Amino acid sequence: QVQLQESGPRLVKPSETLSLTCTVSGVSMSSYYWTWIRQPAGKGLEWLGRIYSSGTTNYNPSLKSRVTMSVDMSKNHFSLKLTSVTAADTAVYYCARDKAWFDPWGQGTQVTVSS
Amino acid sequence: EIVLTQSPATLSLSPGERATLSCRASQSISTLLAWYQQKPGQAPRLLIHDASYRVTGIPARFSGSGSGTDFTLTISSLEPEDFAVYYCQQRSNWVTFGGGTKVEIK
Repeated sequence: QVQLQESGPRLVKPSETLSLTCTVSGVSMSSYYWTWIRQPAGKGLEWLGRIYSSGTTNYNPSLKSRVTMSVDMSKNHFSLKLTSVTAADTAVYYCARDKAWFDPWGQGTQVTVSS
Repeated sequence: EIVLTQSPATLSLSPGERATLSCRASQSISTLLAWYQQKPGQAPRLLIHDASYRVTGIPARFSGSGSGTDFTLTISSLEPEDFAVYYCQQRSNWVTFGGGTKVEIK
């Protein structure tokens, strides 16, 4: 059974960098894309980008200048960095396997941007 | 950017009734559309991909149809566990999601 689990700081200060990791279990990360999606409270879903097991990335053009994703196959995890955060980046952040569609998803982690 | 418009925003129905949810794309996306169900406090769950292919384990009362710009998710007879928010998602051009339809108990 494929499972994903997000981890990282729940509180980030404005202008700093948000860093999250998604640990994958139950499947090899090879030959798949892995994606990050976020959801502000009470709002819809926003795709942030994806990374292939080889390290190739595609980012949402609206966030491209602030997003970096990486993958560590030896640890079976992939990571998200979002720089220069503001209150608008407060959201639940999800990771998911990307097989053209997103399945399965991690449970999500709430990240709040506040001083 | 391809915009997905879901309607209605809220659908008030009773258990046993049929639910029809719409998703309209701002330009043709062929059948590159998926549907997700999200319950409070949970991550979304994939129901349908490629417009009409039901994911293994998803009950047969869920069905998807459409191509081009107009898509429909139908729940033939609502069960209590089906009351949730439903999102459509396209990947014809990058990835975008619709704003969601909340199916609530009448």
